Amino acid sequence: QQPVQSPQAVILREGEDAVINCSSSKALYSVHWYRQKHGEAPVFLMILLKGGEQKGHDKISASFNEKKQQSSLYLTASQLSYSGTYFCGIASGGSNYKLTFGKGTLLTVNP
Amino acid sequence: GAVVSQHPSWVICKSGTSVKIECRSLDFQATTMFWYRQFPKQSLMLMATSNEGSKATYEQGVEKDKFLINHASLTLSTLTVTSAHPEDSSFYICSAWTSGSSYNEQFFGPGTRLTVL
Repeated sequence: QQPVQSPQAVILREGEDAVINCSSSKALYSVHWYRQKHGEAPVFLMILLKGGEQKGHDKISASFNEKKQQSSLYLTASQLSYSGTYFCGIASGGSNYKLTFGKGTLLTVNP
Repeated sequence: GAVVSQHPSWVICKSGTSVKIECRSLDFQATTMFWYRQFPKQSLMLMATSNEGSKATYEQGVEKDKFLINHASLTLSTLTVTSAHPEDSSFYICSAWTSGSSYNEQFFGPGTRLTVL
């Protein structure tokens, strides 16, 4: 079953923060976050494994709440290059690599 | 990170023809390759999972006789869209995954845009 992402779209000014949420009705093994720019393939951002961990890279971080079956992606001090569609992909049901993707969140960062 | 290539990057064909798309992992051996289809402004929909040397596993609703997948080696998987029709026009993306990596992520190819006239 497809995870639910929210919001569907968000518009920011450069330097502002954003949070993108991803929730599932199924128990999760892992959550994978990708960013896709128009006409291009998705680019891997990070993966979170069950255990309630939080990861970060530069100004993008994410958390994974196994109990609540949800993950959140945090973008801090957004840059123009952050614009794109963010997808969460979830692995569940015994497979840690077969992913079901959410519908995506379109993030637009304006100067 | 690992590199996955796709060929061609775009193709335009007439209705009724078949189109083959190649997906290669360039610097690693992919245990598994996945084929996705993405319509404009929509999510990635998994079509099939392909393991080297075995038959592909198709997702519900995907016609295996129409979308032929061959995973000939640990670095190459092909998707053939047979008797293509305009409704098959889409962005087809492959990804590769390896069980031998310390990572768990899938590495995506650049995608192939198929337009059927």
